[in-house]
Amino acid sequence: AQKITQTQPGMFVQEKEAVTLDCTYDTSDPSYGLFWYKQPSSGEMIFLIYQGSYDQQNATEGRYSLNFQKARKSANLVISASQLGDSAMYFCAMILTGNQFYFGTGTSLTVIP
Amino acid sequence: DTEVTQTPKHLVMGMTNKKSLKCEQHMGHRAMYWYKQKAKKPPELMFVYSYEKLSINESVPSRFSPECPNSSLLNLHLHALQPEDSALYLCASSQAGQGNAEAFFGQGTRLTVV
Repeated sequence: AQKITQTQPGMFVQEKEAVTLDCTYDTSDPSYGLFWYKQPSSGEMIFLIYQGSYDQQNATEGRYSLNFQKARKSANLVISASQLGDSAMYFCAMILTGNQFYFGTGTSLTVIP
Repeated sequence: DTEVTQTPKHLVMGMTNKKSLKCEQHMGHRAMYWYKQKAKKPPELMFVYSYEKLSINESVPSRFSPECPNSSLLNLHLHALQPEDSALYLCASSQAGQGNAEAFFGQGTRLTVV
């Protein structure tokens, strides 16, 4: 069963604007971790940000922040001040007990000059 | 050092060949993963090793054979592959157990089966 859902196959954002990429997840495991990765056309999977299920505060890493709403089982990525180099595929992923590590279907982000 | 190194970066092999993909990390991570990724699709989990023992096999055909010789190395042995096995193969490593805060990927091996 699909555990990670990304409902936006493609998104467009104007350069210098902020954009939110959606991710919802489903698990009954109380201990889990949520990741966001960026994958440019070169194929490398670049780690952006991590949120643990017990973390009280939303994670932030530079221009990236994770809007973690545990009760709603959502973990949206917010990219502030978009840059042309942000154009890529973005994947939400979840790791569960036993190192079960699964990805959502991804969102293709295009930054428009 | 947050690097996961995969070799080779590109591989072309015939359906009767035997080849191996290699993955190495020196972050002290005790969980290592193999993924297969087709174009415009998410990575699909194939195998997970935890403390050098195979813990997850996602019903992968036996023509793919993983091996974890030590805590830093992960191999994927390939034999009698089909053209549909052509894909990007990604290796990842993470802290084992709960509360994982680090999970990094290698740059991948682009495999073409002819």
